Amino acid sequence: AQSVTQLGSHVSVSEGALVLLRCNYSSSVPPYLFWYVQYPNQGLQLLLKYTSAATLVKGINGFEAEFKKSETSFHLTKPSAHMSDAAEYFCAVRGNSGGYQKVTFGTGTKLQVIP
Amino acid sequence: DTGVSQNPRHKITKRGQNVTFRCDPISEHNRLYWYRQTLGQGPEFLTYFQNEAQLEKSRLLSDRFSAERPKGSFSTLEIQRTEQGDSAMYLCASSRDQENTEAFFGQGTRLTVV
Repeated sequence: AQSVTQLGSHVSVSEGALVLLRCNYSSSVPPYLFWYVQYPNQGLQLLLKYTSAATLVKGINGFEAEFKKSETSFHLTKPSAHMSDAAEYFCAVRGNSGGYQKVTFGTGTKLQVIP
Repeated sequence: DTGVSQNPRHKITKRGQNVTFRCDPISEHNRLYWYRQTLGQGPEFLTYFQNEAQLEKSRLLSDRFSAERPKGSFSTLEIQRTEQGDSAMYLCASSRDQENTEAFFGQGTRLTVV
């Protein structure tokens, strides 16, 4: 069984400020972890993924996330928010135990960037 | 790589009618997934295909829902006797048949049942 919890359904930051979106996971097997972004009425676009290589993962648009096994966390950060970062962000988990494993998504965090 | 394509983008239907959505995955992707997303929620898994074989179905997929992938390429999702609770965004995704690969999503079909 696997699940993700995203803390904070809405996060507001000022333009230029640090972005921190929190994700905690639960998985009975070693996980693969993903962050996706969704703009209104669009599908999901992959920002970055953790696949058991480096624990600090860099993604597109200046985002990065750090896998912390001891904290079961995979928080998403960006040093300086841009207006174009306003969107909804989803953390997702999949089991890493061979063969097919479905992806389970969190409930999402809407990021608002204030000028 | 033209991405995952879903048609139609929007569908408005009357309660009780049947609807069918189509998904064309990325051409070399063996795996295809359907998800449903309601307002304020993350995508919820509906079903998964490996080539033409439907290998997993969620309990969310009631007997009014049926999905096919007849030749292991495009897939269809049909909802019979639609209900207002079926109103949602239906997302299709595809991926390679590799363990550490991500899924690529289409832009979704937004269904409104009136």
